[in-house]
Amino acid sequence: QKEVEQDPGPLSVPEGAIVSLNCTYSNSAFQYFMWYRQYSRKGPELLMYTYSSGNKEDGRFTAQVDKSSKYISLFIRDSQPSDSATYLCASEGYKLSFGAGTTVTVRA
Amino acid sequence: NAGVMQNPRHLVRRRGQEARLRCSPMKGHSHVYWYRQLPEEGLKFMVYLQKENIIDESGMPKERFSAEFPKEGPSILRIQQVVRGDSAAYFCASSRDRNQPQHFGDGTRLSIL
Repeated sequence: QKEVEQDPGPLSVPEGAIVSLNCTYSNSAFQYFMWYRQYSRKGPELLMYTYSSGNKEDGRFTAQVDKSSKYISLFIRDSQPSDSATYLCASEGYKLSFGAGTTVTVRA
Repeated sequence: NAGVMQNPRHLVRRRGQEARLRCSPMKGHSHVYWYRQLPEEGLKFMVYLQKENIIDESGMPKERFSAEFPKEGPSILRIQQVVRGDSAAYFCASSRDRNQPQHFGDGTRLSIL
């Protein structure tokens, strides 16, 4: 069983819509989770770093962790064409375990 | 404040040649990680190094692949006698310590002819 599983997508939304991305994880001992954004031909860029349960907000981005269901989510409000990228969730540890990524396209 | 620097960005090798990929971590970071991304697949951990030490190389193929992070200079991922299956994007990441978030470079895209 993979440590992190991500909804594969792809996802296409109109500009201004809310984007919802989800991952599940298998190890209940995990406490830290990360969301990375990867543009084509670029490296992953750290977007959000969350600890334990609850929500964390940063501008238009909200990361949510539900430890009871081992679910992590990323919401993008008022999506822009510049948000078009692949989003990767990762669990803690130095040996990052990545989901396969969800490719998001925001249509102008 | 430079991020993680990788070079070259693109590398073309013929089968049987050697490939050397370089990574300079962010300033103040002494922990380096290498990941490989095959086409249509996610990033896979290869090796974790701290200055002059290999901490975990469990994700690295046993043969032909080696990594180092010397006291001075960049970290090097070396692939000897490359084969077509080595074609991939190789990403380096660095962190201040092993419990801090990792920051990635833009990768080296290796193509084998």
